[in-house]
Amino acid sequence: DAGITQSPRYKITETGRQVTLMCHQTWSHSYMFWYRQDLGHGLRLIYYSAAADITDKGEVPDGYVVSRSKTENFPLTLESATRSQTSVYFCASSESLAGGLGSSYNEQFFGPGTRLTVL
Amino acid sequence: SQKIEQNSEALNIQEGKTATLTCNYTNYSPAYLQWYRQDPGRGPVFLLLIRENEKEKRKERLKVTFDTTLKQSLFHITASQPADSATYLCALDQSSNYQLIWGAGTKLIIKP
Repeated sequence: DAGITQSPRYKITETGRQVTLMCHQTWSHSYMFWYRQDLGHGLRLIYYSAAADITDKGEVPDGYVVSRSKTENFPLTLESATRSQTSVYFCASSESLAGGLGSSYNEQFFGPGTRLTVL
Repeated sequence: SQKIEQNSEALNIQEGKTATLTCNYTNYSPAYLQWYRQDPGRGPVFLLLIRENEKEKRKERLKVTFDTTLKQSLFHITASQPADSATYLCALDQSSNYQLIWGAGTKLIIKP
């Protein structure tokens, strides 16, 4: 099916383990994003990518690693999971980023989310 | 510091009435603002975007206003329906790096 998918949808892991969350989009969007969503907080950007092999840190990148070898995939790895990383993780994609007046914009399309619990 | 505020308390509205949600921000000068809808267990879905030079934007029963002097956006749903019940998120661009900054969202409950 076309769209943006995430896997797994639910994951329980233990402190110190490595976890990889997968994100796949079928639109060939240039930009992809990883957010975490915690109760009482807005979505917080972890990492984003402007194209294959181009990634950059967001607001809360510590403890996370990303890669983007192909345009359609943007996996997020927690190298050594901590309890503070218990959260719902959303992947999103966008055709381009808005840059102010006169620039084009595109909405962000979100995946269904991965609920991660770190024990 | 930069901050976006949305009502943290749920908004209860009677079916058929107009629901108005607020998004306030400080220490920003966004070029545009977006509104999204999020249902439980799902990712946000884009609804509307309004630019800084636009005062109002409409889409069917939805209306968004943007007052850069007050640093506030209002999101209206007219003739509200129980199916409109969801959490509504606002997001602003950071002109310096084009990342979106998100409010925590307001939960809207439309009662039959």
